[in-house]
Amino acid sequence: DAKTTQPNSMESNEEEPVHLPCNHSTISGTDYIHWYRQLPSQGPEYVIHGLTSNVNNRMASLAIAEDRKSSTLILHRATLRDAAVYYCILMAGYGQNFVFGPGTRLSVLP
Amino acid sequence: DVKVTQSSRYLVKRTGEKVFLECVQDMDHENMFWYRQDPGLGLRLIYFSYDVKMKEKGDIPEGYSVSREKKERFSLILESASTNQTSMYLCASSSPARGTNIYTGELFFGEGSRLTVL
Repeated sequence: DAKTTQPNSMESNEEEPVHLPCNHSTISGTDYIHWYRQLPSQGPEYVIHGLTSNVNNRMASLAIAEDRKSSTLILHRATLRDAAVYYCILMAGYGQNFVFGPGTRLSVLP
Repeated sequence: DVKVTQSSRYLVKRTGEKVFLECVQDMDHENMFWYRQDPGLGLRLIYFSYDVKMKEKGDIPEGYSVSREKKERFSLILESASTNQTSMYLCASSSPARGTNIYTGELFFGEGSRLTVL
């Protein structure tokens, strides 16, 4: 399985944008890039996913590099509720196995 | 609201006991997964199932077995619990994205079952 690399932790101020990076230099052409987050004492929840083009939804935006070797999850205005561990995961289009790494712990300061 | 329900939020068992962790989903999903989560190690896949009575080993299947007799239910079994199986256990389900056979559909997780083995 292709691996992802994320910073262990990041900090942001409330109401400011947050850019969470993810490196995936060994990504293959059929791998989708997924982001999940895990709030304290809860199971992970889906945030967004994409293949080649940038994606937006009500929670976040996903910016994918042209060579697809990196991506960035963008939270446009961080709130205290966004404090969580964020996981960047590669998912083969034909596969069924999500592999979660340690993720990035995001702290949001009031 | 779609839901993945795990039978127990907290369990305390003794070494050597047989432990059943139950998971039920109401979304008619084909795929179901069991993960364990430990500090500093992220989520690690134990087993998954892509159909009734089908199962596949994940990254850390040793010491565990699973059962999927019905589509909506996926059980994790610890035949003889040990202290190193103290962990948070997370169940998830997924389905192919609508109109495709590509498994990019999102994972839905339960709230987790925290197991302590004494």
